Amino acid sequence: DGGITQSPKYLFRKEGQNVTLSCEQNLNHDAMYWYRQDPGQGLRLIYYSQIVNDFQKGDIAEGYSVSREKKESFPLTVTSAQKNPTAFYLCASRLGRASGDRQPQHFGDGTRLSIL
Amino acid sequence: AQSVSQHNHHVILSEAASLELGCNYSYGGTVNLFWYVQYPGQHLQLLLKYFSGDPLVKGIKGFEAEFIKSKFSFNLRKPSVQWSDTAEYFCAVNYGGATNKLIFGTGTLLAVQP
Repeated sequence: DGGITQSPKYLFRKEGQNVTLSCEQNLNHDAMYWYRQDPGQGLRLIYYSQIVNDFQKGDIAEGYSVSREKKESFPLTVTSAQKNPTAFYLCASRLGRASGDRQPQHFGDGTRLSIL
Repeated sequence: AQSVSQHNHHVILSEAASLELGCNYSYGGTVNLFWYVQYPGQHLQLLLKYFSGDPLVKGIKGFEAEFIKSKFSFNLRKPSVQWSDTAEYFCAVNYGGATNKLIFGTGTLLAVQP
Protein backbone atom coordinates (compact mmCIF):
# COMPACT_ATOMS: atom_id res chain seq x y z
CA ASP A 1 0.00 0.00 0.00
CA GLY A 2 1.74 3.17 -1.18
CA GLY A 3 1.89 6.29 0.90
CA ILE A 4 3.85 8.77 2.94
CA THR A 5 5.07 7.89 6.41
CA GLN A 6 6.01 10.54 8.91
CA SER A 7 7.55 9.61 12.21
CA PRO A 8 7.21 10.05 15.03
CA LYS A 9 3.62 11.27 15.41
CA TYR A 10 4.47 13.29 18.52
CA LEU A 11 7.88 14.65 19.43
CA PHE A 12 9.02 16.50 22.52
CA ARG A 13 12.38 18.22 22.80
CA LYS A 14 14.10 20.60 25.12
CA GLU A 15 14.79 24.13 24.00
CA GLY A 16 18.15 24.48 22.26
CA GLN A 17 18.25 20.95 20.88
CA ASN A 18 18.16 20.11 17.20
CA VAL A 19 15.52 17.58 16.20
CA THR A 20 15.01 15.62 12.98
CA LEU A 21 11.62 14.68 11.59
CA SER A 22 11.40 11.71 9.27
CA CYS A 23 9.46 11.53 6.00
CA GLU A 24 9.50 8.46 3.77
CA GLN A 25 7.42 7.79 0.66
CA ASN A 26 7.03 4.68 -1.47
CA LEU A 27 5.00 6.34 -4.21
CA ASN A 28 8.03 6.76 -6.47
CA HIS A 29 7.43 10.50 -6.44
CA ASP A 30 10.24 12.82 -7.45
CA ALA A 31 9.14 15.91 -5.55
CA MET A 32 8.83 16.22 -1.79
CA TYR A 33 7.77 19.09 0.44
CA TRP A 34 7.77 20.15 4.08
CA TYR A 35 5.04 22.40 5.45
CA ARG A 36 4.38 23.87 8.83
CA GLN A 37 0.77 24.18 9.99
CA ASP A 38 -0.15 26.69 12.68
CA PRO A 39 -3.69 27.52 13.82
CA GLY A 40 -5.20 30.26 11.68
CA GLN A 41 -2.23 30.37 9.32
CA GLY A 42 -2.81 27.42 7.06
CA LEU A 43 0.16 25.57 5.61
CA ARG A 44 3.41 27.37 4.96
CA LEU A 45 6.16 25.90 2.83
CA ILE A 46 9.49 25.32 4.58
CA TYR A 47 11.58 23.46 2.00
CA TYR A 48 10.98 21.45 -1.11
CA SER A 49 12.92 19.12 -3.34
CA GLN A 50 12.12 18.31 -6.92
CA ILE A 51 14.86 15.76 -7.44
CA VAL A 52 17.42 13.80 -5.45
CA ASN A 53 20.38 15.83 -4.16
CA ASP A 54 18.61 19.10 -4.82
CA PHE A 55 16.33 21.22 -2.65
CA GLN A 56 15.13 24.81 -2.39
CA LYS A 57 14.01 27.09 0.41
CA GLY A 58 10.33 27.74 0.77
CA ASP A 59 8.72 30.75 2.41
CA ILE A 60 9.84 30.09 6.00
CA ALA A 61 13.14 28.19 5.74
CA GLU A 62 15.03 30.04 8.48
CA GLY A 63 15.95 27.73 11.34
CA TYR A 64 15.38 24.56 9.32
CA SER A 65 17.54 22.30 7.19
CA VAL A 66 16.85 19.33 4.92
CA SER A 67 18.65 16.69 2.90
CA ARG A 68 17.59 14.59 -0.06
CA GLU A 69 20.09 11.78 -0.45
CA LYS A 70 17.49 9.24 -1.51
CA LYS A 71 14.38 9.60 -3.63
CA GLU A 72 12.12 8.15 -0.96
CA SER A 73 13.41 10.14 2.00
CA PHE A 74 13.32 13.86 2.87
CA PRO A 75 14.17 14.44 6.54
CA LEU A 76 13.67 17.85 8.12
CA THR A 77 15.90 19.14 10.92
CA VAL A 78 14.50 21.79 13.20
CA THR A 79 17.53 23.60 14.56
CA SER A 80 17.94 25.62 17.72
CA ALA A 81 17.90 28.72 15.52
CA GLN A 82 14.20 28.29 14.83
CA LYS A 83 12.55 30.84 17.12
CA ASN A 84 9.14 29.20 17.45
CA PRO A 85 9.42 25.52 16.53
CA THR A 86 6.33 24.19 18.29
CA ALA A 87 3.96 23.33 15.43
CA PHE A 88 2.44 20.59 13.34
CA TYR A 89 4.73 19.55 10.47
CA LEU A 90 3.43 17.99 7.29
CA CYS A 91 5.38 16.23 4.59
CA ALA A 92 4.03 15.87 1.06
CA SER A 93 5.10 14.42 -2.26
CA ARG A 94 4.03 14.51 -5.88
CA LEU A 95 5.07 13.18 -9.24
CA GLY A 96 7.94 15.09 -10.72
CA ARG A 97 8.18 18.10 -12.99
CA ALA A 98 7.99 15.96 -16.07
CA SER A 99 4.38 15.21 -15.21
CA GLY A 100 3.54 18.91 -15.29
CA ASP A 101 1.73 21.12 -12.82
CA ARG A 102 -1.41 19.08 -12.54
CA GLN A 103 -0.48 16.35 -10.16
CA PRO A 104 -1.81 16.92 -6.66
CA GLN A 105 0.38 16.64 -3.61
CA HIS A 106 -0.13 13.69 -1.30
CA PHE A 107 0.30 14.25 2.41
CA GLY A 108 1.57 12.28 5.38
CA ASP A 109 -0.16 12.17 8.76
CA GLY A 110 2.11 14.82 10.24
CA THR A 111 4.38 15.17 13.25
CA ARG A 112 3.42 17.39 16.17
CA LEU A 113 6.56 18.91 17.65
CA SER A 114 6.50 20.46 21.10
CA ILE A 115 9.45 22.26 22.58
CA LEU A 116 9.56 22.10 26.36
CA ALA B 1 2.92 38.37 -4.32
CA GLN B 2 1.05 35.16 -4.92
CA SER B 3 -1.55 34.55 -2.24
CA VAL B 4 -4.72 32.65 -1.48
CA SER B 5 -7.49 33.99 0.72
CA GLN B 6 -10.17 32.05 2.54
CA HIS B 7 -12.60 34.49 4.05
CA ASN B 8 -14.42 32.21 6.46
CA HIS B 9 -12.23 31.02 9.31
CA HIS B 10 -14.95 29.23 11.24
CA VAL B 11 -18.30 28.04 9.92
CA ILE B 12 -20.99 26.35 11.99
CA LEU B 13 -23.92 24.70 10.21
CA SER B 14 -26.71 22.35 11.05
CA GLU B 15 -27.04 19.07 9.19
CA ALA B 16 -28.77 19.39 5.79
CA ALA B 17 -27.78 23.06 5.46
CA SER B 18 -26.04 24.17 2.29
CA LEU B 19 -22.35 25.04 2.36
CA GLU B 20 -20.28 27.53 0.43
CA LEU B 21 -16.69 28.27 1.37
CA GLY B 22 -14.96 31.15 -0.36
CA CYS B 23 -11.52 31.04 -1.92
CA ASN B 24 -9.84 33.86 -3.85
CA TYR B 25 -6.36 33.91 -5.29
CA SER B 26 -4.12 36.65 -6.56
CA TYR B 27 -3.55 37.01 -10.26
CA GLY B 28 -0.77 34.89 -11.64
CA GLY B 29 -1.70 33.78 -15.10
CA THR B 30 -2.62 30.15 -15.55
CA VAL B 31 -3.34 28.42 -12.29
CA ASN B 32 -4.23 24.96 -11.08
CA LEU B 33 -6.67 24.92 -8.17
CA PHE B 34 -7.25 22.42 -5.39
CA TRP B 35 -9.39 21.92 -2.33
CA TYR B 36 -8.03 19.72 0.42
CA VAL B 37 -9.85 18.48 3.53
CA GLN B 38 -8.40 17.49 6.88
CA TYR B 39 -10.73 15.43 9.05
CA PRO B 40 -9.97 15.38 12.78
CA GLY B 41 -6.87 13.29 13.42
CA GLN B 42 -6.35 12.47 9.75
CA HIS B 43 -4.02 13.61 7.01
CA LEU B 44 -4.90 16.10 4.28
CA GLN B 45 -6.91 14.55 1.49
CA LEU B 46 -7.65 15.90 -1.94
CA LEU B 47 -11.33 16.84 -2.37
CA LEU B 48 -11.22 18.10 -5.92
CA LYS B 49 -9.06 19.90 -8.46
CA TYR B 50 -9.43 22.18 -11.45
CA PHE B 51 -6.98 22.50 -14.31
CA SER B 52 -8.99 23.49 -17.37
CA GLY B 53 -12.28 22.90 -19.16
CA ASP B 54 -15.65 22.90 -17.41
CA PRO B 55 -15.35 25.46 -14.59
CA LEU B 56 -17.69 23.44 -12.39
CA VAL B 57 -15.79 20.49 -10.98
CA LYS B 58 -17.15 17.69 -8.88
CA GLY B 59 -15.17 16.01 -6.17
CA ILE B 60 -15.60 13.29 -3.63
CA LYS B 61 -18.39 13.09 -1.03
CA GLY B 62 -20.78 15.35 -2.94
CA PHE B 63 -18.54 18.42 -2.98
CA GLU B 64 -18.19 20.66 -6.00
CA ALA B 65 -16.36 23.87 -6.78
CA GLU B 66 -16.78 26.57 -9.39
CA PHE B 67 -13.88 28.39 -11.00
CA ILE B 68 -14.78 31.97 -11.90
CA LYS B 69 -11.82 33.40 -13.73
CA SER B 70 -13.05 37.00 -13.73
CA LYS B 71 -13.36 36.94 -9.95
CA PHE B 72 -10.19 34.89 -9.29
CA SER B 73 -12.37 32.62 -7.19
CA PHE B 74 -12.74 28.90 -6.62
CA ASN B 75 -15.53 28.49 -4.08
CA LEU B 76 -16.38 25.11 -2.58
CA ARG B 77 -20.00 24.04 -2.29
CA LYS B 78 -22.12 21.21 -0.98
CA PRO B 79 -25.94 21.26 -1.16
CA SER B 80 -26.55 19.40 2.09
CA VAL B 81 -23.85 18.88 4.72
CA GLN B 82 -23.59 15.98 7.14
CA TRP B 83 -22.09 15.72 10.58
CA SER B 84 -19.23 13.72 9.03
CA ASP B 85 -18.23 16.78 6.98
CA THR B 86 -16.87 18.39 10.14
CA ALA B 87 -13.26 19.13 9.19
CA GLU B 88 -10.85 21.83 8.15
CA TYR B 89 -10.89 22.79 4.49
CA PHE B 90 -7.96 24.28 2.61
CA CYS B 91 -7.92 25.95 -0.76
CA ALA B 92 -4.60 25.71 -2.61
CA VAL B 93 -3.24 27.15 -5.84
CA ASN B 94 -0.38 26.05 -8.03
CA TYR B 95 0.88 28.95 -10.07
CA GLY B 96 3.01 26.66 -12.17
CA GLY B 97 6.40 27.61 -13.46
CA ALA B 98 9.66 26.03 -12.45
CA THR B 99 8.90 25.68 -8.77
CA ASN B 100 5.48 23.97 -8.87
CA LYS B 101 4.81 25.22 -5.38
CA LEU B 102 1.38 25.05 -3.78
CA ILE B 103 0.16 28.17 -2.02
CA PHE B 104 -2.40 27.38 0.67
CA GLY B 105 -5.14 29.47 2.15
CA THR B 106 -5.42 29.78 5.91
CA GLY B 107 -8.13 27.15 6.11
CA THR B 108 -11.79 27.10 7.15
CA LEU B 109 -12.88 25.08 10.12
CA LEU B 110 -16.35 23.66 9.50
CA ALA B 111 -18.41 22.29 12.37
CA VAL B 112 -21.66 20.55 11.48
CA GLN B 113 -24.13 20.15 14.31
CA PRO B 114 -26.33 17.05 14.27
